[in-house]
Amino acid sequence: GAGVSQSPSNKVTEKGKDVELRCDPISGHTALYWYRQRLGQGLEFLIYFQGNSAPDKSGLPSDRFSAERTGESVSTLTIQRTQQEDSAVYLCASSLKFGASGPSYEQYFGPGTRLTVT
Amino acid sequence: GENVEQHPSTLSVQEGDSAVIKCTYSDSASNYFPWYKQELGKGPQLIIDIRSNVGEKKDQRIAVTLNKTAKHFSLHITETQPEDSAVYFCAAPRSNDYKLSFGAGTTVTVRA
Repeated sequence: GAGVSQSPSNKVTEKGKDVELRCDPISGHTALYWYRQRLGQGLEFLIYFQGNSAPDKSGLPSDRFSAERTGESVSTLTIQRTQQEDSAVYLCASSLKFGASGPSYEQYFGPGTRLTVT
Repeated sequence: GENVEQHPSTLSVQEGDSAVIKCTYSDSASNYFPWYKQELGKGPQLIIDIRSNVGEKKDQRIAVTLNKTAKHFSLHITETQPEDSAVYFCAAPRSNDYKLSFGAGTTVTVRA
């Protein structure tokens, strides 16, 4: 079936502009995660949505970052007044809440959006 | 929260040889340990995982071993091939939390 999709695949923006990144999770996956990956580094957790519960925003680096999710579908990550240090690949992942053997931790990632702030 | 450390950061092996990557974690309550493979320009892909009720799991040329007493788990790739060249990440969940803490990654290069 279809995997996680993200758009755009690449985004170049000028410093100070706002950007919106989109994630379409796997159908039926109630959990959705956003991560940031700087060049040559690991995955930095940003935000987590689980069904209709309040999102876990504990990883957002500043108030310039925000995210929304409509029900159990599409999510958008918005970065306002972009800075050069925001340049990174932004990855989205989704998962089921429960799998066959209990709580599900398996996360399935999209291809990412490469953001370049000039 | 969970702290995951991964070693080595880079690994170069001759085609056909084995590769081993090791991760340690801090939270003894962690019960799920996945490994992800990330190829250039792509998102991480889950390749194998293990739960805390087993010590070893194999899938063709890859295997994961878990030592809960020592709080470490390892990825083993046998008979390496050029297509195994990628960045590999380990992860572990925080207790009572679905979020995963990821290791810093290991860049594996298989020399032909």
